[in-house]
Amino acid sequence: NAGVTQTPKFRILKIGQSMTLQCTQDMNHNYMYWYRQDPGMGLKLIYYSVGAGITDKGEVPNGYNVSRSTTEDFPLRLELAAPSQTSVYFCASSSERQRNTEAFFGQGTRLTVV
Amino acid sequence: AQTVTQSQPEMSVQEAETVTLSCTYDTSENNYYLFWYKQPPSRQMILVIRQEAYKQQNATENRFSVNFQKAAKSFSLKISDSQLGDTAMYFCARFTMDSSYKLIFGSGTRLLVRP
Repeated sequence: NAGVTQTPKFRILKIGQSMTLQCTQDMNHNYMYWYRQDPGMGLKLIYYSVGAGITDKGEVPNGYNVSRSTTEDFPLRLELAAPSQTSVYFCASSSERQRNTEAFFGQGTRLTVV
Repeated sequence: AQTVTQSQPEMSVQEAETVTLSCTYDTSENNYYLFWYKQPPSRQMILVIRQEAYKQQNATENRFSVNFQKAAKSFSLKISDSQLGDTAMYFCARFTMDSSYKLIFGSGTRLLVRP
């Protein structure tokens, strides 16, 4: 099983550029999440979604946008990259239909803005 | 703000000894889950143990157990017989189900197991 797949694994952006981080899951999970993890720190919730067509802000949403047109996909958009967005980004998914509501994570995307 | 707090940035333990990592959380909801995740240097997030808030019995998974104090909003992780492979970052997390369905993480505790 593929689980949660994130692309790309690494990316370098110039200030002001835009990009989309892709996330897809094949477990039919209804909940999906985007986090950022700065060096030596915890995971901060950027945006989350409880199902197709429904998204909501997390702890640090400024500078980001998301969409959830299908159950499987939850892309994260950076419109005007800034050095403060240099971080490792994780996508995760879970489902309350699973007994343990365990969240499954992608491998992460290391983004550097220069 | 509804938060998850880990007050120990770093911990160190001798191999085969026992260590306890602390976590407190804040929520106004009644229906929630608590988790401990492990993140080794590979960056992969691995579920260690989970606790359902409505269950009074503390969860146990082999060498890992929790002390869940619901009234105090405390959720500590005990690692027994520490092994070198336990060296990692450990994150406490809370998932609420009454209204928001947010999965929120603490800032983490870096655990070093010394040989």
